[in-house]
Amino acid sequence: TQLLEQSPQFLSIQEGENLTVYCNSSSVFSSLQWYRQEPGEGPVLLVTVVTGGEVKKLKRLTFQFGDARKDSSLHITAAQPGDTGLYLCAGVWGSNYKLTFGKGTLLTVNP
Amino acid sequence: DSGVTQTPKHLITATGQRVTLRCSPRSGDLSVYWYQQSLDQGLQFLIQYYNGEERAKGNILERFSAQQFPDLHSELNLSSLELGDSALYFCASSVGQLSYNEQFFGPGTRLTVL
Repeated sequence: TQLLEQSPQFLSIQEGENLTVYCNSSSVFSSLQWYRQEPGEGPVLLVTVVTGGEVKKLKRLTFQFGDARKDSSLHITAAQPGDTGLYLCAGVWGSNYKLTFGKGTLLTVNP
Repeated sequence: DSGVTQTPKHLITATGQRVTLRCSPRSGDLSVYWYQQSLDQGLQFLIQYYNGEERAKGNILERFSAQQFPDLHSELNLSSLELGDSALYFCASSVGQLSYNEQFFGPGTRLTVL
């Protein structure tokens, strides 16, 4: 069974602060995705990373995929209350068709 | 709005009962995925259908079953319900059959088993 570990589990910060959340596995990913889920809604895809060392930016969000493709990070600059939500990473290994999700990081940005 | 619809939004039932959850994928999407989300287990993949055929299976209990119909909508049947089945159930859809294709999630069905 492939496992994804996300850290921290909970994060509460003030508006304007920077933060980084992490996603790790003991196995090499074929691809990795980051989703954001707001209360009462389904997850929404933010980004997909495939290549080791890849860096993608989405406005104030920066996603990095580790060189060995076993880990990833999400960095948010100058967090805003609208960034509040559950951030989930999800990975695919080899030719496995199953997308496995981590348990997520619950981010709260206080005004 | 992802374009994926799920009904009902809330469902309250008793142990031992059977319920059916319904999902309509985005127009043009051939794959439907079912997930269960609980506080302790997180988002768990249950099963995937692609164009009417079962494509992949995850942690789906034998008491649970699903199907995808010719019009591509899908139903998830949960029987002999237990208290531990209380959770959010999400349906997602994608164009292709590979799960790393972007999946679009519906708003979920919150199931409460009393």
